[in-house]
Amino acid sequence: GQNIDQPTEMTATEGAIVQINCTYQTSGFNGLFWYQQHAGEAPTFLSYNVLDGLEEKGRFSSFLSRSKGYSYLLLKELQMKDSASYLCAVRDVGGGGNKLTFGTGTQLKVEL
Amino acid sequence: DAGVIQSPRHEVTEMGQEVTLRCKPISGHDYLFWYRQTMMRGLELLIYFNNNVPIDDSGMPEDRFSAKMPNASFSTLKIQPSEPRDSAVYFCASSLNVGDYGYTFGSGTRLTVV
Repeated sequence: GQNIDQPTEMTATEGAIVQINCTYQTSGFNGLFWYQQHAGEAPTFLSYNVLDGLEEKGRFSSFLSRSKGYSYLLLKELQMKDSASYLCAVRDVGGGGNKLTFGTGTQLKVEL
Repeated sequence: DAGVIQSPRHEVTEMGQEVTLRCKPISGHDYLFWYRQTMMRGLELLIYFNNNVPIDDSGMPEDRFSAKMPNASFSTLKIQPSEPRDSAVYFCASSLNVGDYGYTFGSGTRLTVV
């Protein structure tokens, strides 16, 4: 099975930088995803890491260390619209190799 | 493409009634997933299909739940009989073959069983 851990809540200031951490345990790692979910809406894809290192995509970056079972999502120049839940998800090689298990999400609140 | 389409958006039903949720995946996507989301448990995978064939249904809570995918453009999730603890948001998602695309989620069905 899998175990995914991320903080429940975080608060940050508009214009600042925030890092959301995710740790995981899995028997057959095959990629890590980050999703954003606004209240009452569906999750939307943000980023994907399968190799160690940093992937940058505009204001958002995601980092992966497979040996440590650790990832983070970095959000720069925070905007009020970034207030949302951020979900870490791990893909496993088992069961056909395309099964995502999600963490419970980190609720980010951006304040003025 | 219109994205993943789910219906209905909201469903309120009485305990014991049958509930059917519907999903149309993105054309060309060969994977389809059913998830359930609650405050307590987050997003839980119920079942997923590849090329219309169920691959993993280990997340289906019990025999009251069943899912079908009769063709590449339609899937249903049925709960019979429904119970109050089934109240949740049910998401359908689809994706291409294994890769870095991730899943595309539908807007979800908010189910309330009273």
